[in-house]
Amino acid sequence: SQELEQSPQSLIVQEGKNLTINCTSSKTLYGLYWYKQKYGEGLIFLMMLQKGGEEKSHEKITAKLDEKKQQSSLHITASQPSHAGIYLCGAPGASGTYKYIFGTGTRLKVLA
Amino acid sequence: GAGVSQSPSNKVTEKGKDVELRCDPISGHTALYWYRQSLGQGLEFLIYFQGNSAPDKSGLPSDRFSAERTGGSVSTLTIQRTQQEDSAVYLCASSLGGQILWELFFGEGSRLTVL
Repeated sequence: SQELEQSPQSLIVQEGKNLTINCTSSKTLYGLYWYKQKYGEGLIFLMMLQKGGEEKSHEKITAKLDEKKQQSSLHITASQPSHAGIYLCGAPGASGTYKYIFGTGTRLKVLA
Repeated sequence: GAGVSQSPSNKVTEKGKDVELRCDPISGHTALYWYRQSLGQGLEFLIYFQGNSAPDKSGLPSDRFSAERTGGSVSTLTIQRTQQEDSAVYLCASSLGGQILWELFFGEGSRLTVL
């Protein structure tokens, strides 16, 4: 079965620093979601990537999908304490399936 | 509200008791998912409903777990004879369905603690 592995598992950065979170799939990616989960709360949708090479940005967060590498990266520029939380990548388990799987998550802490 | 609603938000139960968790999806969403998130872990897929199709139950961890969706709307996840390892946050999500990459809208979750 397909698995999504995220790295790093946790990250502590100083406010203002840039950072990158990676999500690597064990099988072909047919699109990918990024979500953010604040501690003790539900998941907040960040962005969805559908095509290889696609890159999307929302405020200071940019995500890119590399289908050949079966990988997506999420980059935060000039991090702020409000960026703290758990970042999760998710994807369909296989083409034509609605069984979405999620990565193990990256826990981000931003020091003020 | 317009979002996915889950109840109860917190449930503490004794080992061996049955529990029911409820999910009220966004109106018009035909797809509904249940996930489990154990402490410090990612999301574990449990079950998926799409319209009137047979649900994908491939993620249910044991026959103590079951779920139903009545009238294509509200869903109930039932855990029988709860065990301590069932303690987790159970998240429900819904989407428009019918296409692979619709956004999933998540509820706040039901935190289950089995003593």
